[in-house]
Amino acid sequence: RKEVEQDPGPFNVPEGATVAFNCTYSNSASQSFFWYRQDCRKEPKLLMSVYSSGNEDGRFTAQLNRASQYISLLIRDSKLSDSATYLCVVNINTGGFKTIFGAGTRLFVKA
Amino acid sequence: IAGITQAPTSQILAAGRRMTLRCTQDMRHNAMYWYRQDLGLGLRLIHYSNTAGTTGKGEVPDGYSVSRANTDDFPLTLASAVPSQTSVYFCASSSGTGDYGYTFGSGTRLTVV
Repeated sequence: RKEVEQDPGPFNVPEGATVAFNCTYSNSASQSFFWYRQDCRKEPKLLMSVYSSGNEDGRFTAQLNRASQYISLLIRDSKLSDSATYLCVVNINTGGFKTIFGAGTRLFVKA
Repeated sequence: IAGITQAPTSQILAAGRRMTLRCTQDMRHNAMYWYRQDLGLGLRLIHYSNTAGTTGKGEVPDGYSVSRANTDDFPLTLASAVPSQTSVYFCASSSGTGDYGYTFGSGTRLTVV
């Protein structure tokens, strides 16, 4: 089983739709969590950290469920410019720390 | 510059040749990383450095070497390139604990023929 798993998609949604991505992690020593966005042929860029209490940044909401070991990203009122791959990232405390990147979920927002 | 600079942007390399991918950051981050990204496999860690003067092996280190002579520079060397090293290579840096996420360079697209 992969340490971080995401539905690869693609998700095809119309403009204005709400879309949610889930990500599961297997290591209970996971301590910090992030969502990154990667545009085609570009580098990944940090979208937002994910906090235990949940957090929101404009149209984006991230949630963490430690008991079930998953994190989620909700995008409201999707824009064409939201089309990208969304990577789930988990930091695991192993004495030092280890960062695991999910393979990503592809989103296409269409007019 | 602001952030991470990688060079070259792209390269076609003959198998068996030696090549160094360059990475420079200006954020004074302690930790630096090299990843390769292949379709369907996501980002895989090649080598990392937690601080200047130290390096470590990641998930896929074979065929690659790194050095960290100072805080800013973290070059990746392919001693004798093989076609399976065709990939997109990203350099990244972080404050050290990773709790603030990573900053990535724009990548080097390498084709080994």
